[in-house]
Amino acid sequence: GEDVEQSLFLSVREGDSSVINCTYTDSSSTYLYWYKQEPGAGLQLLTYIFSNMDMKQDQRLTVLLNKKDKHLSLRIADTQTGDSAIYFCAVGKLIFGQGTELSVKP
Amino acid sequence: NAGVTQTPKFQVLKTGQSMTLQCAQDMNHEYMSWYRQDPGMGLRLIHYSVGAGITDQGEVPNGYNVSRSTTEDFPLRLLSAAPSQTSVYFCASSSAGSEANYGYTFGSGTRLTVV
Repeated sequence: GEDVEQSLFLSVREGDSSVINCTYTDSSSTYLYWYKQEPGAGLQLLTYIFSNMDMKQDQRLTVLLNKKDKHLSLRIADTQTGDSAIYFCAVGKLIFGQGTELSVKP
Repeated sequence: NAGVTQTPKFQVLKTGQSMTLQCAQDMNHEYMSWYRQDPGMGLRLIHYSVGAGITDQGEVPNGYNVSRSTTEDFPLRLLSAAPSQTSVYFCASSSAGSEANYGYTFGSGTRLTVV
């Protein structure tokens, strides 16, 4: 079946860039997504990218897609303490990765 | 605009009890789904519906039933609760099914503990 893999934890210092990585097996996905989950809350769509794009930038967020390697990444520039959350990669009919817990230290 | 509303927010059940988790959306979305979230496992799809009267199984449907009698409501029933069903449950809805779901809206979740 489809599989989406993420590393579980990432720790960065405030002001640094964060890069959260995701690999997937389903090559037929038209859209690939990043969701953010803050403590005690549901998931919120952060951004998405069409499969025919290599990159999408939205303010501090940059999404990179390498279709050949089936690799998706989310870069957060100038990471702030408010960015601390769990970030989920999702593909296809919303198959989710395990989530990456981002911890931002002052 | 309430979005997706889940009730209750917290619930403790004894093994063998049954209960219904409620989900309602006021956005006239056709597509609704239920996920469970467990540590280190992401979200796993339990059941989904592409419209009133239509439901289908997801990745982990055993022990759960759903029905979709109206567009607004998509309740999830636990038939005989087991400790393995201890989890956080999320309901989500979208105005489009399949992959064009960048309009997905999630509820705030129901935290269920089965003892």
